[in-house]
Amino acid sequence: QQQVKQSPQSLIVQKGGISIINCAYENTAFDYFPWYQQFPGKGPALLIAIRPDVSEKKEGRFTISFNKSAKQFSLHIMDSQPGDSATYFCAASRGSARQLTFGSGTQLTVLP
Amino acid sequence: DAGVIQSPRHEVTEMGQEVTLRCKPISGHNSLFWYRQTMMRGLELLIYFNNNVPIDDSGMPEDRFSAKMPNASFSTLKIQPSEPRDSAVYFCASRGWTSGRRDEQFFGPGTRLTVL
Repeated sequence: QQQVKQSPQSLIVQKGGISIINCAYENTAFDYFPWYQQFPGKGPALLIAIRPDVSEKKEGRFTISFNKSAKQFSLHIMDSQPGDSATYFCAASRGSARQLTFGSGTQLTVLP
Repeated sequence: DAGVIQSPRHEVTEMGQEVTLRCKPISGHNSLFWYRQTMMRGLELLIYFNNNVPIDDSGMPEDRFSAKMPNASFSTLKIQPSEPRDSAVYFCASRGWTSGRRDEQFFGPGTRLTVL
């Protein structure tokens, strides 16, 4: 019940295209869903996060869509740029401790 | 702020040796997390501390692993004795009320451990 399943494992997109990464969870107690971005040799960094009381959150070119009934959430990167090439992790947590359960990661490559 | 600081950045050791990884969280943060990242298992939470007290160590793989947080500005993760399967990147992260971003975990640059 603690798992967060992420797909696809890898994604190649042309510059200017839309990148979409999907995640699904089982534990309905999760109440915080962040996306982290990781560049090679660096630690993950928070990109955007959502709580289940809203269905969508947008920050610049990045949007999270959240479907509570389906227990799914996704990251959309609009106008993808080569600088967006990185590994993206979805995660989920619950309670005040905010222990993160991570998805398996998606390696995004944006071609120039 | 300098962010979360980890040392060493790289560690190469031989099987059976003791390894100590160090972390300095962001000043003012009261929660600290240790993660391990491998290709096979992804990012796994090993242990987390709140106000220097270990709250959940259920992710620590074996008794060979131990973690301490003697004060609010320092934590260690020790592996004794180390084994080749411990080879991974170990991340430390901290969380607190700075800038009102209480839910965000800030990750350090990681320590890449290689056990030969």
